[in-house]
Amino acid sequence: DIQMTQTPSSMPASLGERVTISCRASQGISNYLNWYQQKPDGTIKPLIYYTSNLQSGVPSRFSGSGSGTDYSLTISSLEPEDFAMYYCQQYDSSPLTFGSGTKLEIK
Amino acid sequence: QIQLVQSGPELKKPGESVKISCKASGYTFTDYAMHWVKQAPGKGLKWMGWINTYTGKPTYADDFKGRFVFSLEASASTANLQISNLKNEDTATYFCATVDLSGLFDYWGQGVMVTVSS
Repeated sequence: DIQMTQTPSSMPASLGERVTISCRASQGISNYLNWYQQKPDGTIKPLIYYTSNLQSGVPSRFSGSGSGTDYSLTISSLEPEDFAMYYCQQYDSSPLTFGSGTKLEIK
Repeated sequence: QIQLVQSGPELKKPGESVKISCKASGYTFTDYAMHWVKQAPGKGLKWMGWINTYTGKPTYADDFKGRFVFSLEASASTANLQISNLKNEDTATYFCATVDLSGLFDYWGQGVMVTVSS
């Protein structure tokens, strides 16, 4: 199974700040990497697919990059609604696996 | 619009069974497979497997072989997850989700909290 290691596990940040969340795969995943946001009420929203493609309706302050085993999600300027959990997910091979999550908290 | 609406919370005792439903609307049910994802309290997301909504064939991740059954009521555009012989470690929220052609879990149900406690 491909293990997905996300860092940091939590991140205090301020409104307007630029933040980056990292995700490292235990082997190369050929850019087959997606990102999700989970709100405190449990609602899960897809953000980015295939490393860097913004899902429809997602604000342009979100962006993704990476290759090989290392990927990242960047939020250019934090808005209040961005404080949530974030997960990466690989779909290069089965079983599909998620990172352990990053909690973005208000500083 | 596409919606996945799941059944309500469940409280069960160890050894009992539970059946969770996921009703889809806003698209042709058989066009997309239905996946299931487990989230234990305070933990991350774990993929359980998927069911081909056209053929009804299920595929289970290794940790979910044996006590877990995916099924369909295609005429009702509904996918079901049944868990038998419940254990304390089955306490979790269970999500259904569709996956698009790019491998993205694009639509999610609201999740069903299953609590197993004696």
